[in-house]
Amino acid sequence: DTGVSQDPRHKITKRGQNVTFRCDPISEHNRLYWYRQTLGQGPEFLTYFQNEAQLEKSRLLSDRFSAERPKGSFSTLEIQRTEQGDSAMYLCASSRAGGVYGYTFGSGTRLTVV
Amino acid sequence: GNSVTQMEGPVTLSEEAFLTINCTYTATGYPSLFWYVQYPGEGLQLLLKATKADDKGSNKGFEATYRKETTSFHLEKGSVQVSDSAVYFCALSDPPETSGSRLTFGEGTQLTVNP
Repeated sequence: DTGVSQDPRHKITKRGQNVTFRCDPISEHNRLYWYRQTLGQGPEFLTYFQNEAQLEKSRLLSDRFSAERPKGSFSTLEIQRTEQGDSAMYLCASSRAGGVYGYTFGSGTRLTVV
Repeated sequence: GNSVTQMEGPVTLSEEAFLTINCTYTATGYPSLFWYVQYPGEGLQLLLKATKADDKGSNKGFEATYRKETTSFHLEKGSVQVSDSAVYFCALSDPPETSGSRLTFGEGTQLTVNP
C-alpha cells in the first residue's frame, strides 16, 4: 500500500492554458474523489468515480473541467482555458465503497494560474 | 444540505495545554463524522472517526464523541505538543447506504502550539 499519489505536486501555468493532473489511488479502493481547496478553506467536492464510472459532479465543476478514470485505475483531471480563479490545491482521495472507513488523501497538486 | 461549522481560529496554545476544537453539523439521516489533520504543504490525514451516535473516536491522544442530541463532534486532547501544530478539519459523510459518500468539510482550525 503506497498510498494515493498525485502528480505533479506543483503546476504554474499561464491563464488560458490547459492543464492535466493525475491521481493514482490505492489499488484496492474502487472509489476515487477529486476535491478543490482554496487558501484558508476546507476542501470542496468536485466529482467522484466508482470504478470507471463518474457518478456525481458538483456544480463547482464547470464545463472547462473534465475528469476521467479509464479502466477504473488512475484518474486525470483536466482544466481547459485556465483562469486565475482556478488557482487552488486539487486533492485526490480514494476509499472502499461507502467511505465509512474514511478516505485516504493524496498530497495534492497546487495549481497557480498567472 | 449537509454543513459543518467549526470554531474560528487560529488557536494558539502552550505545550501541555488542553485542547478543544468545537465542531457542529447539520445533516439528514445518520452521517459518519471525521477529523482530518493537514500539515503545511501536505494533503489531509485521517485523525479519527465515528460512525454512529455515542461512538468515541480516538487516535494519538485525540478524542471526539459523536453527540447526536447536540449534533456535535468536538475534538479534544489533554496535553498538546509542538508537533500537533497543523490545521484541523471536521467533516461528515453521507450514510454508507446512500450514493457517493462525499465528504463535507468545515472551514478548518489552525492550531499553533508554542514550546
